[in-house]
Amino acid sequence: NAGVTQTPKFRILKIGQSMTLQCTQDMNHNYMYWYRQDPGMGLKLIYYSVGAGITDKGEVPNGYNVSRSTTEDFPLRLELAAPSQTSVYFCASSYSVELGTQYFGPGTRLLVL
Amino acid sequence: GESVGLHLPTLSVQEGDNSIINCAYSNSASDYFIWYKQESGKGPQFIIDIRSNMDKRQGQRVTVLLNKTVKHLSLQIAATQPGDSAVYFCAENKGSNYKLTFGKGTLLTVNP
Repeated sequence: NAGVTQTPKFRILKIGQSMTLQCTQDMNHNYMYWYRQDPGMGLKLIYYSVGAGITDKGEVPNGYNVSRSTTEDFPLRLELAAPSQTSVYFCASSYSVELGTQYFGPGTRLLVL
Repeated sequence: GESVGLHLPTLSVQEGDNSIINCAYSNSASDYFIWYKQESGKGPQFIIDIRSNMDKRQGQRVTVLLNKTVKHLSLQIAATQPGDSAVYFCAENKGSNYKLTFGKGTLLTVNP
């Protein structure tokens, strides 16, 4: 199994541009999450999903959108990039509601200039 | 408000020594805690967890201690190895929602 994969690894955006961060897992996990990590800080939950077709807001959802059309994929959309969205984005999945079972992807580093 | 903080931002130890990483939390309603290890350029990796009905839990070379009286969490790593060098985060969860509140992290450096 590849686990949780994320693309791209790194991206530079101009203010106002849009992009989609891709996340795919091949473990048939129902639960998927998007986090952002600012330098020297812990992770903050952006959105999560408990199964295909079901998504919900986390702690910092403003400026982002998600969809979950399949079990495997959970893309994160930035519509109008802002410098405050410069961060490292981690996708995670888990097979149960137990948060300790989360598997994290390698992250996408985003720079908005 | 809710917060999970760390007493020390950096910790440097000699190989073979035991390491203790501390974490304070302020939300007394939190009932589940996790320690993560994050190596440079990688995502967090689960180390060990503990529920609020426990005071201590042991894993392989790691022990987590929970003191609910003073809202303090610690991670002990026995016989620290160079491969243990990383940033360690504690995180707390309250109730059945999916929100994990992370601390800022402690950078552990193991000197050979």
